[in-house]
Amino acid sequence: KNQVEQSPQSLIILEGKNCTLQCNYTVSPFSNLRWYKQDTGRGPVSLTIMTFSENTKSNGRYTATLDADTKQSSLHITASQLSDSASYICVVSTSGTYKYIFGTGTRLKVLA
Amino acid sequence: DAGITQSPRYKITETGRQVTLMCHQTWSHSYMFWYRQDLGHGLRLIYYSAAADITDKGEVPDGYVVSRSKTENFPLTLESATRSQTSVYFCASSAYLADPTYEQYFGPGTRLTVT
Repeated sequence: KNQVEQSPQSLIILEGKNCTLQCNYTVSPFSNLRWYKQDTGRGPVSLTIMTFSENTKSNGRYTATLDADTKQSSLHITASQLSDSASYICVVSTSGTYKYIFGTGTRLKVLA
Repeated sequence: DAGITQSPRYKITETGRQVTLMCHQTWSHSYMFWYRQDLGHGLRLIYYSAAADITDKGEVPDGYVVSRSKTENFPLTLESATRSQTSVYFCASSAYLADPTYEQYFGPGTRLTVT
């Protein structure tokens, strides 16, 4: 069964600290992996998209990694800010289809 | 304004009522999607559309109906609302699914409560 699992479910960090969110997937055939940021009460917004051949992709203070062999991805947030408080969702899609498999997200809280 | 919009943003309805959620995008994207988001679940696909007059079921289509007579609009109708359909509904659009790097853009969501 195609699944995407994220950990931790929630995380609290102090402003300025770094953190890493994890995503494990069992989706096949693999097409691409996306990380989204979802602020409370809003729709998800794309942070990064990685295909099979990419193992790192950055977007400002956000850096995503992909290990297609172990089917793991991580999202590293550097020098966190209060505005980083949100849910971060890992999404994996299968080749050539509209099927996106969404993880349940990691809820990040950044404290001043 | 350009983008993807949903209306209403909040809706309370009674069990058994018909309700329609609206989605409008200004990019002329071919692909449009309806998802629902519930606690403990990732977003789940209800229906998707590849073009005007082309729609297909997703993971959880029961109790929902869609239509797409115009490229820019993709309404979702709950024919007879049930409490289990209380959820947050997101519409999304994408230009070209065959290219895996194409973005999927989400609307702001509609929070639906069925009493």
